[in-house]
Amino acid sequence: RKEVEQDPGPFNVPEGATVAFNCTYSNSASQSFFWYRQDCRKEPKLLMSVYSSGNEDGRFTAQLNRASQYISLLIRDSKLSDSATYLCVVNIDAGGTSYGKLTFGQGTILTVHP
Amino acid sequence: NAGVMQNPRHLVRRRGQEARLRCSPMKGHSHVYWYRQLPEEGLKFMVYLQKENIIDESGMPKERFSAEFPKEGPSILRIQQVVRGDSAAYFCASSPLGTDYQPQHFGDGTRLSIL
Repeated sequence: RKEVEQDPGPFNVPEGATVAFNCTYSNSASQSFFWYRQDCRKEPKLLMSVYSSGNEDGRFTAQLNRASQYISLLIRDSKLSDSATYLCVVNIDAGGTSYGKLTFGQGTILTVHP
Repeated sequence: NAGVMQNPRHLVRRRGQEARLRCSPMKGHSHVYWYRQLPEEGLKFMVYLQKENIIDESGMPKERFSAEFPKEGPSILRIQQVVRGDSAAYFCASSPLGTDYQPQHFGDGTRLSIL
């Protein structure tokens, strides 16, 4: 089983739509969580950190459910510029040593069309 | 540009040659991470370094690959005797502290092509 699993998509949505991505992680020792986006296999760019209480940044809302080991990202009012691959990223605390080693999901492809 | 700097952006090597990839972290960052993205795959952790120390190289192939982060100068990822399967995008990331709560900032990557 992969440590971080995402639906690869692709998701094809019209502008203005709301779209949600899900991610599950297998290691309960996972400590911190992020969503990154990657355009055309360029460098990953941090979209937002994910906090236990849930957090919002403009049109983007992230949720974390530690009990179910599940992370989500909601994008409202989709823009053409939101077209990208969205990466669910987890930091796993290995044996009590937290040092920022990131584990990436495969990514979910989003295409927003006019 | 105060971001993570990687060079070269593109590197072409023939089988059996050596590849050297460089990474200068963001100013003030002393922790460097290397990741590899094979074609059609996700990013995979390779190695984590602090200045003059390798902290975790669990993701790096045991043979032909090595990494360093000297006291002065950039971090270097070195691949000896390259093979076709080494063709990938290699990304470097840095953070100010080696903690899990600090998001990492990535460089533009080096696209390595093996002929």
